[in-house]
Amino acid sequence: NAGVTQTPKFQVLKTGQSMTLQCAQDMNHEYMSWYRQDPGMGLRLIHYSVGAGITDQGEVPNGYNVSRSTTEDFPLRLLSAAPSQTSVYFCASSYEGYGYGYTFGSGTRLTVV
Amino acid sequence: KNEVEQSPQNLTAQEGEFITINCSYSVGISALHWLQQHPGGGIVSLFMLSSGKKKHGRLIATINIQEKHSSLHITASHPRDSAVYICAAPRIQGAQKLVFGQGTRLTINP
Repeated sequence: NAGVTQTPKFQVLKTGQSMTLQCAQDMNHEYMSWYRQDPGMGLRLIHYSVGAGITDQGEVPNGYNVSRSTTEDFPLRLLSAAPSQTSVYFCASSYEGYGYGYTFGSGTRLTVV
Repeated sequence: KNEVEQSPQNLTAQEGEFITINCSYSVGISALHWLQQHPGGGIVSLFMLSSGKKKHGRLIATINIQEKHSSLHITASHPRDSAVYICAAPRIQGAQKLVFGQGTRLTINP
């Protein structure tokens, strides 16, 4: 089915470990983005990309890296996990330019202990 | 002050009631988005609008650009409408980077 696929759905990490959250879309969307959602706060943008080879920082980029080698994939890397990165992470994609709706992945619930 | 503010934060109503959720924003806007987050956590895009009104089934979204205000209405509400409703707007006119409201948790009781 067309859409945004996020893996894993759940993950527990120890402080200092690294991991990659995967995000893939099959709609040929140029724009892809990562958000974190914390209790009492709205979704916050971590990193985004407007096409293969092009990425930029959002509001809360520290501790995260991204790359965009293909149109379809936009992985989010946690370099050295910290308890402050415990959150629910969402990937979303859209056609480039305003005026288009977003398609969200199902989310990854990450706990760092 | 948040750039995108929603009210109320929580809303409980009886099945069949007419529901209104409000969104006020201070950012530049080219398109405002309404999203629905299900109890299971998934997020679905409901509307994207830049002027006037849009309708989809029992959901109606309106926007007043001059007043920087948007509303989401649900007619004949049903327990399956129970969810968190989120509005979002681009921080900069014409850009895609969104700023999100904190969401309105809607509970519809049978």
